[in-house]
Amino acid sequence: DTGVSQNPRHKITKRGQNVTFRCDPISEHNRLYWYRQTLGQGPEFLTYFQNEAQLEKSRLLSDRFSAERPKGSFSTLEIQRTEQGDSAMYLCASSPRDATPLHFGNGTRLTVT
Amino acid sequence: AQTVTQSQPEMSVQEAETVTLSCTYDTSESDYYLFWYKQPPSRQMILVIRQEAYKQQNATENRFSVNFQKAAKSFSLKISDSQLGDAAMYFCAYRSAMTNSKLTFGKGITLSVRP
Repeated sequence: DTGVSQNPRHKITKRGQNVTFRCDPISEHNRLYWYRQTLGQGPEFLTYFQNEAQLEKSRLLSDRFSAERPKGSFSTLEIQRTEQGDSAMYLCASSPRDATPLHFGNGTRLTVT
Repeated sequence: AQTVTQSQPEMSVQEAETVTLSCTYDTSESDYYLFWYKQPPSRQMILVIRQEAYKQQNATENRFSVNFQKAAKSFSLKISDSQLGDAAMYFCAYRSAMTNSKLTFGKGITLSVRP
């Protein structure tokens, strides 16, 4: 069990640029979640995959956000035309099945200047 | 929709003492799970303890225990013999027992431990 891996750890980008983050869940975990966390706040749900199927998307996930999990293993989260309000920690988590605790990665800290 | 409320933004405890962190939640469901997660300054979220709503017995994990009051929709975390390493943000979270449910977090509480 190598844990949930997220890359990069930090990303600084200029407003209007596109960014992509990657998440590698724990192997054999077929459920994968993306959350966003701003400073001093709890994580907010963005989207959820079961295997390669994206089963739920939050209203927070605007048209500029897209997530994929093409082979049911790793996942990518892309933000197009970044805005300063997108600055946050983006957390990925995985779990093996329903009702089990989520295992979180270290997150990707995005700063939009 | 379910909501989780942590009304205390900060708490402080003396090393070796006991501290209780409060959490309330709102749901119309009868079957669900509650969690406390710890997030140290390194940022990785770590599971502290889990409670199944159908169990009356309060969960315990070493120095960590919960007081689960289902009727009152209250789920507090007690940390006994506090250690410096307990300093972190603590999040209360709710997860429905329904299929494909997500985890809903409270805003968190920052716990500091005084040596």
